Amino acid sequence: AQSVTQLGSHVSVSEGALVLLRCNYSSSVPPYLFWYVQYPNQGLQLLLKYTTGATLVKGINGFEAEFKKSETSFHLTKPSAHMSDAAEYFCAVSKAAGNKLTFGGGTRVLVKP
Amino acid sequence: EADIYQTPRYLVIGTGKKITLECSQTMGHDKMYWYQQDPGMELHLIHYSYGVNSTEKGDLSSESTVSRIRTEHFPLTLESARPSHTSQYLCASSDPGQGQETQYFGPGTRLLVL
Repeated sequence: AQSVTQLGSHVSVSEGALVLLRCNYSSSVPPYLFWYVQYPNQGLQLLLKYTTGATLVKGINGFEAEFKKSETSFHLTKPSAHMSDAAEYFCAVSKAAGNKLTFGGGTRVLVKP
Repeated sequence: EADIYQTPRYLVIGTGKKITLECSQTMGHDKMYWYQQDPGMELHLIHYSYGVNSTEKGDLSSESTVSRIRTEHFPLTLESARPSHTSQYLCASSDPGQGQETQYFGPGTRLLVL
């Protein structure tokens, strides 16, 4: 069975500071990994995904994530936070293309001016 | 931007009523999903479909039912709503034929059962 753990249900950062959201997964097979963002009263929007190839993945809005197999991690970063980054972020894993997603508990990001 | 729609966006209804949450997508995706999300919590898969006439139960047990008569529609029905059904319901679709599957989500339906 797969599982996803997001460390920290809430993260507070200052505008312009580094955003780091942690995600660790467990999977018996090579995983496909995703980060989604959910703005208030909206559905989920894909930020980025890792399937195969380059382990550093760049997504929308300046976010990137690095797949580290040895650490079973897929942490999300953004060098400089913007007020518009305030949202909830979900890490998700699937076993392969076409399989179901398993989501982490989410991390709510608050950006302070 | 994904073309997946959910109606209604918000619904307040009394206990015992039958409700249907609509989900439709115009991308021709074969796979569709329903997730339940309580406020501030993770998403839980409650139903999914791999195509017309295919429906499966997800990881979280749910009293709701779904149908998939047409590719573009995947409605979710609660025969008798209860306060415990109060939650947000998110619909998604995906197409593995594109090579790298991505699930596209609708805006969600927030359900409040009184």
